[in-house]
Amino acid sequence: EVQLVESGGDSVQPGGSLRLSCAASGFTFSNYWMSWVRQAPGKGLEWVANIRQDGSENYYVDSVKGRFTISRENAKNSLYLQMNSLRAEDTAVYYCAREHTAMADFWGQGTLVTVSS
Amino acid sequence: SYELTQPPSVSVSPGQTATITCSGDNLKYKYACWYQQKPGQSPLLVIYRDNKRPSGIPERFSGSNSGTTATLTISGTQAMDEADYYCQAWDTSTARVFGTGTKVTVL
Repeated sequence: EVQLVESGGDSVQPGGSLRLSCAASGFTFSNYWMSWVRQAPGKGLEWVANIRQDGSENYYVDSVKGRFTISRENAKNSLYLQMNSLRAEDTAVYYCAREHTAMADFWGQGTLVTVSS
Repeated sequence: SYELTQPPSVSVSPGQTATITCSGDNLKYKYACWYQQKPGQSPLLVIYRDNKRPSGIPERFSGSNSGTTATLTISGTQAMDEADYYCQAWDTSTARVFGTGTKVTVL
């Protein structure tokens, strides 16, 4: 059974940093692109970043470029999102998702990041 | 940046057909997929590659994509189908764009 479990969400002050993790199981993690998607309270889904199977390529939504870094550790079946210079507008539930041929077919349960003074 | 536009809300009576549209430039040249999200839950893939249903998704969910519009159709809508629905476009670029989302209410 495919499982994605996010962790690391917390409440942080503006300008602070957080590192989110996503533990994957039930599939060969190293065979798939992975994504982070977020959802602000009461708002829609927003794709944040994705990363190639071997970590050699990664892409970001414009609003997080230069502040967020996506990475992965295939030996540990883990995906990460390092978030720096956090802003109030980064407040959201962050989901990790498995990408597979023009779809995100499995999603984690999400982890809440709150940026507030 | 690429944008996908959906109607904010759709209302449907039980047993009737709900139609949700997703509009974007040259959408027919991209693959469209659709996600269902119920309150407090993670999104669930219901349609991929324009018109394919993942295992376990009821046959009443169907999709199409032509011109600038992708469409999700729920035939014989049930109360359990009440949820938010999001489209997403995929192409050779690496950015993944979601639609604005549609709240489906079963009256």
